[in-house]
Amino acid sequence: EADIYQTPRYLVIGTGKKITLECSQTMGHDKMYWYQQDPGMELHLIHYSYGVNSTEKGDLSSESTVSRIRTEHFPLTLESARPSHTSQYLCASSDHYLSYGYTFGSGTRLTVV
Amino acid sequence: KQEVTQIPAALSVPEGENLVLNCSFTDSAIYNLQWFRQDPGKGLTSLLLIQSSQREQTSGRLNASLDKSSGRSTLYIAASQPGDSATYLCAVSEVPGTYKYIFGTGTRLKVLA
Repeated sequence: EADIYQTPRYLVIGTGKKITLECSQTMGHDKMYWYQQDPGMELHLIHYSYGVNSTEKGDLSSESTVSRIRTEHFPLTLESARPSHTSQYLCASSDHYLSYGYTFGSGTRLTVV
Repeated sequence: KQEVTQIPAALSVPEGENLVLNCSFTDSAIYNLQWFRQDPGKGLTSLLLIQSSQREQTSGRLNASLDKSSGRSTLYIAASQPGDSATYLCAVSEVPGTYKYIFGTGTRLKVLA
């Protein structure tokens, strides 16, 4: 079944640690996106990719980085986690023309202590 | 710059009521509009996608309409149930092809048993 997967679902980690949030999709979508959402607040686009070896920063400045080496995989990395990075991170994908809209993963809730 | 507004921000209704959620956008040159549902702490689930050439879409008890010229979309929920309690988000994708969605601030719906 075509889907988009995010792991881990929950992560509690200490300050200064390096973390990678995983996002994979099986739909062959060109475009992938990372959004950040604080509880009860709006979604903010932090990174997006239009295809392999393509990455762009989103509307909200983020200290995280992303890579797109394979079509299906779009991981997000924080080199040194801080409490200010505590948030929910949502990954989405779409075909080239948004013909079917976005498909979202279940999200990763990150807590940095 | 496209802005998306959702009114009301929160809504509480008794079970069985029919209700309407509103979404307005400032630039009518959109490619399509998507309605999502988000349960607390979870990812977004796609409900309905309306292409710019369409006037409405229906799925079960849900009906979404689109009036591009006035910059409005409504989501109609018939015979509401406690399980409908969630935050509902609309998102518009712009023309020309940035192929990214701009999200509204959401309406938090609570259906009382």
